[in-house]
Amino acid sequence: SQQGEEDPQALSIQEGENATMNCSYKTSINNLQWYRQNSGRGLVHLILIRSNEREKHSGRLRVTLDTSKKSSSLLITASRAADTASYFCATVSSNDYKLSFGAGTTVTVRA
Amino acid sequence: KAGVTQTPRYLIKTRGQQVTLSCSPISGHRSVSWYQQTPGQGLQFLFEYFSETQRNKGNFPGRFSGRQFSNSRSEMNVSTLELGDSALYLCASSLGQGAVFEKLFFGSGTQLSVL
Repeated sequence: SQQGEEDPQALSIQEGENATMNCSYKTSINNLQWYRQNSGRGLVHLILIRSNEREKHSGRLRVTLDTSKKSSSLLITASRAADTASYFCATVSSNDYKLSFGAGTTVTVRA
Repeated sequence: KAGVTQTPRYLIKTRGQQVTLSCSPISGHRSVSWYQQTPGQGLQFLFEYFSETQRNKGNFPGRFSGRQFSNSRSEMNVSTLELGDSALYLCASSLGQGAVFEKLFFGSGTQLSVL
């Protein structure tokens, strides 16, 4: 079963535009992580945000976490064709410390 | 530094057979975890190992098992394969504390097809 649900399922944007995707989860968490997966390959870690943090930045990425709403968002600014990938949020439950992934958002950046 | 290496990259088996997948973590990493990815169920946690001990386990039947060796390399085994076991199996490594405290580094996966 999946702990996180992502929205939207798919996103198509023009190069240079911003892309925002959201993740909602169900149980209390230790941390939340975002990963990127290029077609059928392994996942690449993007950002880890702990439950006591509200916002984190890494290059063109900005992640927010609202534990009261059990939700997180990932913003990619000034998107590039190379950002075309599936993006997954993953939560580490504070109950059993297992990592659970959402269904993912597929982002297509058009040149 | 070499990344996480998974072998084989592709595997085709028939129902009822068993399969062993291998994962070599990044040098110095002591924690290895396994995930199954399917179009229907998405990414699901299988198990996590640290220092040859299983530290955590997902909700999979006993046909799925794993182990970790003293050099941190890990194998997972699936016995009595079913069609539904067709999936991309991903291995991830981390320095030691696992996903609770640190990011994971993933291999490219083993694509298993069960016919």
